[in-house]
Amino acid sequence: DSGVTQTPKHLITATGQRVTLRCSPRSGDLSVYWYQQSLDQGLQFLIQYYNGEERAKGNILERFSAQQFPDLHSELNLSSLELGDSALYFCASSVAGAFGGELFFGEGSRLTVL
Amino acid sequence: GQQLNQSPQSMFIQEGEDVSMNCTSSSIFNTWLWYKQDPGEGPVLLIALYKAGELTSNGRLTAQFGITRKDSFLNISASIPSDVGIYFCAGQPWTGANNLFFGTGTRLTVIP
Repeated sequence: DSGVTQTPKHLITATGQRVTLRCSPRSGDLSVYWYQQSLDQGLQFLIQYYNGEERAKGNILERFSAQQFPDLHSELNLSSLELGDSALYFCASSVAGAFGGELFFGEGSRLTVL
Repeated sequence: GQQLNQSPQSMFIQEGEDVSMNCTSSSIFNTWLWYKQDPGEGPVLLIALYKAGELTSNGRLTAQFGITRKDSFLNISASIPSDVGIYFCAGQPWTGANNLFFGTGTRLTVIP
């Protein structure tokens, strides 16, 4: 158990819909990272938040947005969903704002868009 | 973003055999890491490498940070069934970079 909690574990929805994925980082970790893993693909970095502020942005679509709340949990919002958005979405956390060596990953949220 | 090429894509080996996989990049990385992902789980860090030429072991696992800083390899000795999973390399492009770039993974199957 990494200490990172993601909900929901599974989500099935239709094209055009909007979903929200939630992540609670490890106790004491200030940074939250979101990654997307499509079938047979590596993990694609989407976005990072540190202590409530956006710190780095990767290949995140404009239809996607994220935020980190004062209690440090984070939400990833995916809107106008397309079939190609079906993937595993991982949240990871670390103590520091700048990556220092280890990310702790949650178990992921599997999104299926029909 | 930076591309990490991992090979082989998949491996089928007999229990007890040694395994070797590698990761290459066209650009320099400051930190190399190796993660393992079990089915239905998130990736778990196996080994972190911070210096060119560094060779680090973690039990039956040994990893090296290539001297050119553009590659890394992971060896697993005397494989066992629980080594099954997907192994990912990951790199931090520069000190202070806030993200990791991941390879596409090597899927390992161990035949008892």
